[in-house]
Amino acid sequence: GAVVSQHPSRVICKSGTSVKIECRSLDFQATTMFWYRQFPKKSLMLMATSNEGSKATYEQGVEKDKFLINHASLTLSTLTVTSAHPEDSSFYICSARRTGGDQPQHFGDGTRLSIL
Amino acid sequence: DAKTTQPNSMESNEEEPVHLPCNHSTISGTDYIHWYRQLPSQGPEYVIHGLTSNVNNRMASLAIAEDRKSSTLILHRATLRDAAVYYCILNTGFQKLVFGTGTRLLVSP
Repeated sequence: GAVVSQHPSRVICKSGTSVKIECRSLDFQATTMFWYRQFPKKSLMLMATSNEGSKATYEQGVEKDKFLINHASLTLSTLTVTSAHPEDSSFYICSARRTGGDQPQHFGDGTRLSIL
Repeated sequence: DAKTTQPNSMESNEEEPVHLPCNHSTISGTDYIHWYRQLPSQGPEYVIHGLTSNVNNRMASLAIAEDRKSSTLILHRATLRDAAVYYCILNTGFQKLVFGTGTRLLVSP
């Protein structure tokens, strides 16, 4: 079964709305989680690394004030798209991995965000 | 992380083996070779990974060239559910993954 849960799976909202997406590791603790976005027929693009108890690390070109990341516990990271506009419409995906050894990344099922 | 090169797409028939190639000529000694796949409208799914030796698991096999400059993901009997985009990724440290364009596998009945 799923080991990373992402919620909601789909959001449709008006321009100017802020949208929060949750990513939970279900049966393990994750000090680090990752957020990606994906446009139609394109590959995943890493947005940021979410670090429990400290600031997220953003990839070049990603606006940290636009995409707020909070990793307040070892099993939950949130991504808030602030004042969303149509160009923010995308598929947002999170991932996490168990610590130790060569553990693979586990991905959530993604959140499809549509801004009208 | 070093770059990988994969064909844009491949086709297969159901129940036939599929060999998905990946070139990574600039691989470093500490790079692991990871394979993930993404089914339509889902997040990626881990398939397999390896360092130097060939690897087998319930999903697939990974054949790694002796010089490690290339690898092949082998699906022994393709099913319609294997239709997905397959990503070959090099990674040291098992932290953030950098996705390339992958190979879109089409499986025909």
